[in-house]
Amino acid sequence: DAGVIQSPRHEVTEMGQEVTLRCKPISGHDYLFWYRQTMMRGLELLIYFNNNVPIDDSGMPEDRFSAKMPNASFSTLKIQPSEPRDSAVYFCASGDGRGRETQYFGPGTRLLVL
Amino acid sequence: KNQVEQSPQSLIILEGKNCTLQCNYTVSPFSNLRWYKQDTGRGPVSLTIMTFSENTKSNGRYTATLDADTKQSSLHITASQLSDSASYICVVSGSGGGADGLTFGKGTHLIIQP
Repeated sequence: DAGVIQSPRHEVTEMGQEVTLRCKPISGHDYLFWYRQTMMRGLELLIYFNNNVPIDDSGMPEDRFSAKMPNASFSTLKIQPSEPRDSAVYFCASGDGRGRETQYFGPGTRLLVL
Repeated sequence: KNQVEQSPQSLIILEGKNCTLQCNYTVSPFSNLRWYKQDTGRGPVSLTIMTFSENTKSNGRYTATLDADTKQSSLHITASQLSDSASYICVVSGSGGGADGLTFGKGTHLIIQP
C-alpha cells in the first residue's frame, strides 16, 4: 500500500482565496483524521470521520473551515476564505479500531497564506 | 483542563548515548498514551501505544514506560543513532480511548550529533 496520500504537498496562496486540501486514506481504514500543526500550538485534531461520516468536528477553528468525505477513498479540507493565520502544515491520517490503534499519517500539506 | 507536558523541549546528545524523554499528563479519565516520532518535513509515525494496564512497551531501541498513578510516561532511546534526530510527540487519549479527547504534547526536539 502507498500509505496515506495528500495533495498538494505545498500550497502558497493569497489571503481571501479558497484552499482545498486532499487526502486518500489507506485502503480498508474506516477512520480518517485531519490535523493541523504549527510551531506555537503543536499538533491539533481538527475533525475525524468514521465510515465517511463526520464524528467530531469540535477542533475545526471556525466556519471558514469545512471537511467532506464523499467516499471511503477520498476526503477534502477546505478553507474559504483563507487568512494568514491559517498557515500551517495540515496532516491527514487514517486508521481503524476507532483510532484506538495506530494512526498512519500522510506527508502533510504545507500551507502558506500571504 | 486536559494537558500534556513534555520535557525537555529540546535535547542534543552524542551518537551512541542513551536519552530519556518525559511526558506528564493531566488527562482524565485515561485510556491510552502514544509516542510518535516525527522526522523533519514528514508526518508522525507511531512508536508505541500503551493502555492503563501496561507499564512498559518496547519497539527496537525505543522503550516507553507508563506510570498511571503519577500520570507520567517516559521514552528511553538506547544507543542513539543519527536517524533518531526528530521530534517526539506524546499523545494521551481520554474517555472512549479513541479520537475523542485526544490531547497532544508539543513534542521534544531531539538532535543526535556525530
